[in-house]
Amino acid sequence: SAVISQKPSRDICQRGTSLTIQCQVDSQVTMMFWYRQQPGQSLTLIATANQGSEATYESGFVIDKFPISRPNLTFSTLTVSNMSPEDSSIYLCSVELQGNGEQYFGPGTRLTVT
Amino acid sequence: LAKTTQPISMDSYEGQEVNITCSHNNIATNDYITWYQQFPSQGPRFIIQGYKTKVTNEVASLFIPADRKSSTLSLPRVSLSDTAVYYCLVALYSSASKIIFGSGTRLSIRP
Repeated sequence: SAVISQKPSRDICQRGTSLTIQCQVDSQVTMMFWYRQQPGQSLTLIATANQGSEATYESGFVIDKFPISRPNLTFSTLTVSNMSPEDSSIYLCSVELQGNGEQYFGPGTRLTVT
Repeated sequence: LAKTTQPISMDSYEGQEVNITCSHNNIATNDYITWYQQFPSQGPRFIIQGYKTKVTNEVASLFIPADRKSSTLSLPRVSLSDTAVYYCLVALYSSASKIIFGSGTRLSIRP
């Protein structure tokens, strides 16, 4: 298994500003994933972050809005840029250890944009 | 990636067996079926995974018919703590496969 922590756990931000969310894993992993979950909704995959290469973004998400860093095998950041109230959501990171579709999720970062 | 369809919500009572069925008509030969559980204010948690027939672990059983176009998650003797959202997914069994979440089933357990 894997233990994943995220910082901050929650934040309230003003529109137009940016927030960087950190994801730390207690073991080395190749792939990390970033999701967004709006209240009462399912999870939407934002991007897949592979250490040593550019992140791969899903349709509807772009690097300028959600830049991702992956400096090593245990850490990643997701930045939500130029925020608007529509970006209010829970952002989760996850990892897959064994290549079998079993992912471990962090506790999430609850973002509110005013 | 195959699309999944599952009931939006289900209700049951403590001590009952709950079966949640998921439809995945376009499942590919190499896809595995995986179920996740999510409690409020937490990230999803892996429950069980299978390819065909039946899989059982300490938490649940997963029944998959021969045509694999559907699957049923069975939770024996549920308790109030089983109240959660349950997601059915199909994903390629390979390294670093991305998974796409469907709408999930909101299960409510009553005393």
